[in-house]
Amino acid sequence: GAGVSQSPSNKVTEKGKDVELRCDPISGHTALYWYRQRLGQGLEFLIYFQGNSAPDKSGLPSDRFSAERTGESVSTLTIQRTQQEDSAVYLCASSLSRTRNTEAFFGQGTRLTVV
Amino acid sequence: KNQVEQSPQSLIILEGKNCTLQCNYTVSPFSNLRWYKQDTGRGPVSLTIMTFSENTKSNGRYTATLDADTKQSSLHITASQLSDSASYICVVSGAGGSYIPTFGRGTSLIVHP
Repeated sequence: GAGVSQSPSNKVTEKGKDVELRCDPISGHTALYWYRQRLGQGLEFLIYFQGNSAPDKSGLPSDRFSAERTGESVSTLTIQRTQQEDSAVYLCASSLSRTRNTEAFFGQGTRLTVV
Repeated sequence: KNQVEQSPQSLIILEGKNCTLQCNYTVSPFSNLRWYKQDTGRGPVSLTIMTFSENTKSNGRYTATLDADTKQSSLHITASQLSDSASYICVVSGAGGSYIPTFGRGTSLIVHP
């Protein structure tokens, strides 16, 4: 596709359930980022992928959060045993890596609501 | 630690008026600075990108300035429109390592008719 695609666009889940959020980056973009945005707050960095490896996982808030990327393409962010404080919009971005003026293109986000 | 600070946190202006948003950063070594516009419920969209040697860059009614010596940038919006209501995010990328960008928390702009 022409842009970054995320699915689902909205997800409502019960507290304690696991959820998987998907990101399809722009074809050929080797860098992929996940961010979290709580209501009224700024973007919070979660994890960065270069190819299929994640050199920076420093933003993952707890061990309930994990992410993987395969084929230098699709990435999945998994939240286990969801809590109400996990409710947020999860944004994915991709960019060409190792270039000086790299623009990050964002998907529309997945709005996660934990009830 | 790399930081990007934006001010004001929120701004309300009347349609047709001008406004200026500020961004201060500590990212070093510096590579580039971008301003993004994020409409409610949408992903951020890039407005401008500035590198070390650029002082001013315009995109329609948006004009960004950069002072790499003082590590400050501003985004000036001229003749504001209702559609300018959004969050404006300053993003700074470093020149070393993996170019992971540092995001400011954004300025929320509301334009009233």
